[in-house]
Amino acid sequence: GAGVSQTPSNKVTEKGKYVELRCDPISGHTALYWYRQSLGQGPEFLIYFQGTGAADDSGLPNDRFFAVRPEGSVSTLKIQRTERGDSAVYLCASSLRGGHTEAFFGQGTRLTVV
Amino acid sequence: KNQVEQSPQSLIILEGKNCTLQCNYTVSPFSNLRWYKQDTGRGPVSLTIMTFSENTKSNGRYTATLDADTKQSSLHITASQLSDSASYICVVINNDMRFGAGTRLTVKP
Repeated sequence: GAGVSQTPSNKVTEKGKYVELRCDPISGHTALYWYRQSLGQGPEFLIYFQGTGAADDSGLPNDRFFAVRPEGSVSTLKIQRTERGDSAVYLCASSLRGGHTEAFFGQGTRLTVV
Repeated sequence: KNQVEQSPQSLIILEGKNCTLQCNYTVSPFSNLRWYKQDTGRGPVSLTIMTFSENTKSNGRYTATLDADTKQSSLHITASQLSDSASYICVVINNDMRFGAGTRLTVKP
């Protein structure tokens, strides 16, 4: 597709369950970012990939959160033992090379932990 | 403490009026500063991109300014329209993007 695609658009899960959120970046974009956005707040940085490697994962809140990008394209954000506080919109963005190149965002995945 | 602070948190103006949104940051160094518009339920969309050496950048009715010495940026919206109602987010970029909390703008008829 032409833009960044995130699936699912909505996910409701029970507390303690495992979830995976998927991001398909724009083709050819080497940089990929994950953010978490709570209601009324700006996006909070989670992790930044350059190619297949995590260039900066300092935003991951704890070891329940993990992200991969094995082939340098699609990325999956994985959350183990979900908690109600994990409920938020998870945004993915990609840019051609990172740094000063413009980033384009997906629509986000709204995660609700009940 | 957030490295990017925005003010005001929210703003209500009448259609046709102008407004200015503020952004103060401590991120250093940085390669560029961007303003994004985020409609409810959507991902952010870029409005302006400025490098640290630029002072001003316009995009239609949106004009962004940057003072790298004082680490301040502003977004000025002229002749506001109802469709301008959204959150406006200041983002400072080095290798990753650091977001402010945004200003929620409501334009009323």
